[in-house]
Amino acid sequence: DIVMTQSPDSLAVSLGERATINCKSSQSVLYRSSNKNYLAWYQLKPGQPPNLLIYWASTRESGVPDRFSASGSGTDFTLTISSLQAEDVAVYYCQQYYSTPLTFGGGTKVEIK
Amino acid sequence: QLQLQESGPGLVKPSETLSLTCTVSGGSINSSTYYWGWIRQPPGKGLECIGSIHYRGSTSYNPSLRSRVTMSVDTSKNQFSLKLNSVSAADTAVYYCARVTGTTGFFDCWGQGTLVTVSS
Repeated sequence: DIVMTQSPDSLAVSLGERATINCKSSQSVLYRSSNKNYLAWYQLKPGQPPNLLIYWASTRESGVPDRFSASGSGTDFTLTISSLQAEDVAVYYCQQYYSTPLTFGGGTKVEIK
Repeated sequence: QLQLQESGPGLVKPSETLSLTCTVSGGSINSSTYYWGWIRQPPGKGLECIGSIHYRGSTSYNPSLRSRVTMSVDTSKNQFSLKLNSVSAADTAVYYCARVTGTTGFFDCWGQGTLVTVSS
């Protein structure tokens, strides 16, 4: 199984400031033939279903605010919230879909400082 | 607008079988493109993919649960189902159903989730 490791476990950021979440995979999730990274990011808020934010490591899902961006390749990935809003308080997960079983990171809780 | 909704008992006794159904509305389950998956989140823990199924019946199960899991599809009702047998307290979790963009894919639409507690 590909193990996904996120850091930090939690972070507190002031409103309007930048939040950065890291995700590392135990093996590369880059398919060289397509040059695509099989990595997605989700947002989970209490009482709500998970919300897909990013796929192919950096493609924003339709309707996701552009303050959310993501980057990385191979085994190291980053999700950035450029200017944290109150509604961004949530737990964020990365997920690899390079191989089965599909696996998630442990989650990063984002709070307001 | 695609919507998924989980249904099933919220309480299951140890050693019995957990059964959940996901009803898909606003779209057809008969898509060659997509798979339909189950994910769970134990209290205070992260997300775990249980597996997925294609409307034609092909499945992909997490090896950690494979011996206890069965998934099925009912295209006439636009539903897919999960059965997990021989449950224990460790299977207590919020169970989500979701659409998957392939055997190896991301989850682009999720149900609200349903809490299943395993307790006598």
